Amino acid sequence: TQLLEQSPQFLSIQEGENLTVYCNSSSVFSSLQWYRQEPGEGPVLLVTVVTGGEVKKLKRLTFQFGDARKDSSLHITAAQPGDTGLYLCAGAPSSNTGKLIFGQGTTLQVKP
Amino acid sequence: NAGVTQTPKFQVLKTGQSMTLQCAQDMNHNSMYWYRQDPGMGLRLIYYSASEGTTDKGEVPNGYNVSRLNKREFSLRLESAAPSQTSVYFCASSALAGIYEQFFGPGTRLTVL
Repeated sequence: TQLLEQSPQFLSIQEGENLTVYCNSSSVFSSLQWYRQEPGEGPVLLVTVVTGGEVKKLKRLTFQFGDARKDSSLHITAAQPGDTGLYLCAGAPSSNTGKLIFGQGTTLQVKP
Repeated sequence: NAGVTQTPKFQVLKTGQSMTLQCAQDMNHNSMYWYRQDPGMGLRLIYYSASEGTTDKGEVPNGYNVSRLNKREFSLRLESAAPSQTSVYFCASSALAGIYEQFFGPGTRLTVL
């Protein structure tokens, strides 16, 4: 069974601080996605990374896919209260089924 | 466009009762999915339908059945609800099965007493 371990599970920081969320596995994934979920809503896609070593930037968010395609990280620079939410990584074991394996999630609270 | 819609939003069942969760998408997507979300466990795939007319098991299919009624609709049925099925259920869709964005509905919060 493929697993994705996310860390930390909870993070409470002050506005303006930087943070990194990690997503690790012993298995190789064909791609990895990061989603953000607000309370009472479904997850919304932030980014998809496909190539080992790939780095994508989305404003203050930087996503990296490990060289071996077994791990990923999300770095937020100068966090803002609007970044508060649940962040989920999701790996695709295969490129043609659509099946995703989700990590447990990281709950981020950014205090003003 | 409404995207992905789910009904009902909330439901309370007694152990042994049955019910069907409804999901519909208006994005002309081929693939649809059912997940459950429990505290500290992320989302787990129950069943998915890569295309109309096909369904396959995910990680946690026991106790559930699905029907891909047509391209738009994908329902999830609990034949005999158990307390362990208390969860938040999300339906999602994607254009195709593969490395595509999945669009999620707002979820159904189910409590089994």
